[in-house]
Amino acid sequence: QSVLTQTPSTSGTPGQRVTISCSGSSSNIGGSTVIWYQQLPGTAPKLLIYDTDQRPSGVPDRFSGSKSGTSASLAISGLQSEDEAAYYCAAWDDSLRGPVFGGGTKLTVL
Amino acid sequence: EVQLVQSGAQVKKPGESLKISCKGSGYIFSTYWIGWVRQMPGKGLEWMGLIYPGDSDTRYSPSFRGQVTLSADKSISTAYLQWSRLKASDTAMYYCARPSTVGTTDAFDIWGQGTMVIVSS
Repeated sequence: QSVLTQTPSTSGTPGQRVTISCSGSSSNIGGSTVIWYQQLPGTAPKLLIYDTDQRPSGVPDRFSGSKSGTSASLAISGLQSEDEAAYYCAAWDDSLRGPVFGGGTKLTVL
Repeated sequence: EVQLVQSGAQVKKPGESLKISCKGSGYIFSTYWIGWVRQMPGKGLEWMGLIYPGDSDTRYSPSFRGQVTLSADKSISTAYLQWSRLKASDTAMYYCARPSTVGTTDAFDIWGQGTMVIVSS
């Protein structure tokens, strides 16, 4: 199983706000910034959030990230059909001396 | 344009060896780490390891240490992932990726298109 824990799936309707959570430990999320990736079906992952709450150029402000202690969250407001994808959290792990991923959350837009 | 271009899909038999590549362009290849990620069919992303092409400093995820070898040739801006003896469980999509900032190893914003490896007898 993955070092970081995510709920396997979630869903929402267009326009709704959804939150995806990511749980870790003091050796990763608790002591590191959090990254979020979006993976659309059949494509390579895309950087969505870095430094816990920063958006790369081109990422809509509907996407936001936050962290509290050893848990992190990705919020998507104004849900759109094109947001249907898998979302992965990631962080550096001091114990493993490398980056780690969450297991991913599959978002379905109903 | 900054990009990573990976070698094409491979179909191999168990026990065979394989080396796939990831060629960088549009930036100074030797100054950014390259990470490798495995995605088994229908599954999530797994970090395999990191390599710094400038001096070939390599870090392996514990799950992949001893199972694969990372290497790089900075003269041709190419990183490699290789297996000496493939197993059916190596069937997966493999991605290379580059972080957004020189010298860092956290946020990867440039990804290759992926190389599908199928291992089947």
